[in-house]
Amino acid sequence: RKEVEQDPGPFNVPEGATVAFNCTYSNSASQSFFWYRQDCRKEPKLLMSVYSSGNEDGRFTAQLNRASQYISLLIRDSKLSDSATYLCAVNRVNSGYSTLTFGKGTMLLVSP
Amino acid sequence: GAGVSQTPSNKVTEKGKYVELRCDPISGHTALYWYRQSLGQGPEFLIYFQGTGAADDSGLPNDRFFAVRPEGSVSTLKIQRTERGDSAVYLCASSLWAAATDTQYFGPGTRLTVL
Repeated sequence: RKEVEQDPGPFNVPEGATVAFNCTYSNSASQSFFWYRQDCRKEPKLLMSVYSSGNEDGRFTAQLNRASQYISLLIRDSKLSDSATYLCAVNRVNSGYSTLTFGKGTMLLVSP
Repeated sequence: GAGVSQTPSNKVTEKGKYVELRCDPISGHTALYWYRQSLGQGPEFLIYFQGTGAADDSGLPNDRFFAVRPEGSVSTLKIQRTERGDSAVYLCASSLWAAATDTQYFGPGTRLTVL
């Protein structure tokens, strides 16, 4: 099983739709979870951090289920500008420091 | 303030050549990371620096890859005897420290093409 797995895409949705992405992780010791957004040929940019059960920021809601080892990202009222690839990242705890493991990403295409 | 910068933005080289990729992290960030991203994949961890030292180089694919950060700021990723399979976007990220909750900020990347 891969360390971090995401829904394969792409997701094609109309403007105004609600869309949800899932991400599962294999390391039960992971403590921090992140959703990054990556536009085509650009660098990943942090969208949301998830440390406890969940986090909400405007139209975006991230939820964490530690028992089932998955994180979800919900986008409400999709905009054309939400079209991008969404990367799930999970921290790997080492001795005194933390690094990130990324999933392959899920592409979202929002159409008029 | 200034974000993470990387140079060059694009590098085309021939198989067997040596390349250096540079990363300038956010000022004051002690942790610096290098990742490699191939088409259709997420960033893959290569190496992590805390200050001047490489604290974790477990992601470097082989001994052709090496990175330094001599003064604890700018870092250079060095690839010897490049192969076509090395073609990818090389991303650098920095964070204040390397705690689990610290956000990693990415640079724009260097797109390496090995012909």
